[in-house]
Amino acid sequence: RKEVEQDPGPFNVPEGATVAFNCTYSNSASQSFFWYRQDCRKEPKLLMSVYSSGNEDGRFTAQLNRASQYISLLIRDSKLSDSATYLCVVNKKGSARQLTFGSGTQLTVLP
Amino acid sequence: GAVVSQHPSWVICKSGTSVKIECRSLDFQATTMFWYRQFPKQSLMLMATSNEGSKATYEQGVEKDKFLINHASLTLSTLTVTSAHPEDSSFYICSADTRTGTVYQETQYFGPGTRLLVL
Repeated sequence: RKEVEQDPGPFNVPEGATVAFNCTYSNSASQSFFWYRQDCRKEPKLLMSVYSSGNEDGRFTAQLNRASQYISLLIRDSKLSDSATYLCVVNKKGSARQLTFGSGTQLTVLP
Repeated sequence: GAVVSQHPSWVICKSGTSVKIECRSLDFQATTMFWYRQFPKQSLMLMATSNEGSKATYEQGVEKDKFLINHASLTLSTLTVTSAHPEDSSFYICSADTRTGTVYQETQYFGPGTRLLVL
């Protein structure tokens, strides 16, 4: 089983739509959770950290369910500029600082 | 936020050539840097953790003699792909985390990556 699993997509949605991405992780001892976005041929950039209480940053909401080892990202009112690959990231087993990346979910927002 | 640079941004070389990639932290000191590799349509895979003044630690399946890492200063780590072959063609990305006192921050800052094509 992969350490971090994501639905690869692609998700093609119209502008203004709400879209949700899911991710599961295998290491129950994981402590750090993130969503990164990666544009084509670029480095990943941190979108947001994910906390047990859930957190929101503008149109983006992240949720963590430790019991189910499940992380989600909700994007409301999608913009064309949201088109990217979204990476679910968890700290590597046995390390607080090394990261394990999911394979990413590709999103295309259509005009 | 902290800035990490990489050089070169892309390189094309012949099979058998050794290629050196530099990763620099521009406005902070990084005692640790991380090297990743990303093949097309795949995710980033951690290759090794580079520690200033000591040996790098490599992930399982990554040949340390093939991918030489040197972290000689607090702002520079280098990855040398020795005797590169076409299967080494990939996107190589480094990252670093920052520290406040003795506490490392969660956020990692990524360099812009180096695209390597071995012919």
